Amino acid sequence: DSGVTQTPKHLITATGQRVTLRCSPRSGDLSVYWYQQSLDQGLQFLIQYYNGEERAKGNILERFSAQQFPDLHSELNLSSLELGDSALYFCASSEGGPGELFFGEGSRLTVL
Amino acid sequence: GENVEQHPSTLSVQEGDSAVIKCTYSDSASNYFPWYKQELGKRPQLIIDIRSNVGEKKDQRIAVTLNKTAKHFSLHITETQPEDSAVYFCAAKDNLFFGTGTRLTVIP
Repeated sequence: DSGVTQTPKHLITATGQRVTLRCSPRSGDLSVYWYQQSLDQGLQFLIQYYNGEERAKGNILERFSAQQFPDLHSELNLSSLELGDSALYFCASSEGGPGELFFGEGSRLTVL
Repeated sequence: GENVEQHPSTLSVQEGDSAVIKCTYSDSASNYFPWYKQELGKRPQLIIDIRSNVGEKKDQRIAVTLNKTAKHFSLHITETQPEDSAVYFCAAKDNLFFGTGTRLTVIP
């Protein structure tokens, strides 16, 4: 158990819909990262937050947004969903500086 | 931005043999280089990492070497075992950029 909690574990929805993925980081970790992993693909970095502020942004679509709340949990919002958005979305946390990432179990999104 | 290339994409070895996976990066500002192992259906987990002030690091059967001048780092697994079968990812630029992964299969 990494200490990072992601919900929901599985989500099936239709094209055009909006979903919210939630992540609670490991106790004491200030930084949260979001990654997208499509079938048999690598980890695509979406966005990173540190202590409530956006720190780095990757190839995150404009239809996607995220935030980190004062209690350090984070949410990733995916809107106007398309079939190609079907993927495993991982959240990871770290203390803040360059170092080990602790990954959650992932949220598997299926868009039909 | 950073570009991380990882080779090979697939690797099959006989149990007991060694496996080597290599990554190259482009951003000379990168100074933290981790390797993650992802078993089928599981989350990635760190197996070893190295910082730019060190050239090599070992942890039992696993080692990582770093050549900052050439901008590449490699994962070495010796005496491979079937449980080493997984996908391995390298990363650079503070975990923001991952390699495309190497699927390692250890044949018993």
